[in-house]
Amino acid sequence: GQNIDQPTEMTATEGAIVQINCTYQTSGFNGLFWYQQHAGEAPTFLSYNVLDGLEEKGRFSSFLSRSKGYSYLLLKELQMKDSASYLCAVMDSNYQLIWGAGTKLIIKP
Amino acid sequence: DTAVSQTPKYLVTQMGNDKSIKCEQNLGHDTMYWYKQDSKKFLKIMFSYNNKELIINETVPNRFSPKSPDKAHLNLHINSLELGDSAVYFCASSQDLVTVNTGELFFGEGSRLTVL
Repeated sequence: GQNIDQPTEMTATEGAIVQINCTYQTSGFNGLFWYQQHAGEAPTFLSYNVLDGLEEKGRFSSFLSRSKGYSYLLLKELQMKDSASYLCAVMDSNYQLIWGAGTKLIIKP
Repeated sequence: DTAVSQTPKYLVTQMGNDKSIKCEQNLGHDTMYWYKQDSKKFLKIMFSYNNKELIINETVPNRFSPKSPDKAHLNLHINSLELGDSAVYFCASSQDLVTVNTGELFFGEGSRLTVL
């Protein structure tokens, strides 16, 4: 079967750095995506990785290792507004998105 | 203007009833989707609709039926509602069916359905 694993919940301090991990087992691979979802709101696109390595976008970076079936989302200089769920999703060989359950990130002052 | 809008945002109804959720996108996208997000927060694809081609997730009961009057609209009809249908339903759109280049889906705000 196909599955995406990520921690259920993480806590971090305002101004700090946090890394949210995602491991996947899918039928084929056409890219890995990270989405942010605030409570009661729609998911919004953060990043896309299809080649190994680090993609940086402002305070957020996303890393991919296809051989290890592994990705992480790195958030720097955490702000209170970063409190949200972070969803990892993989596009399989049929171009279908397989979603993880999300990691709820709690930021404390 | 909201890119993807869906109504109603909240829907409470009795078991056995039939209900609809409407979705509209003003992005000029060719593909629209319906997702179900259950209490465990997994997003599960229900349908995708591209140029009048409907792709159905085979696990979706046939009580659920999408209807698309035009490219900008994809409505979701649910017949004979069951308790297990309680969830948040998200409409989404993308430029085309294969979103390899950006992976960007644009989601509506969600419709929280509660079946009593």
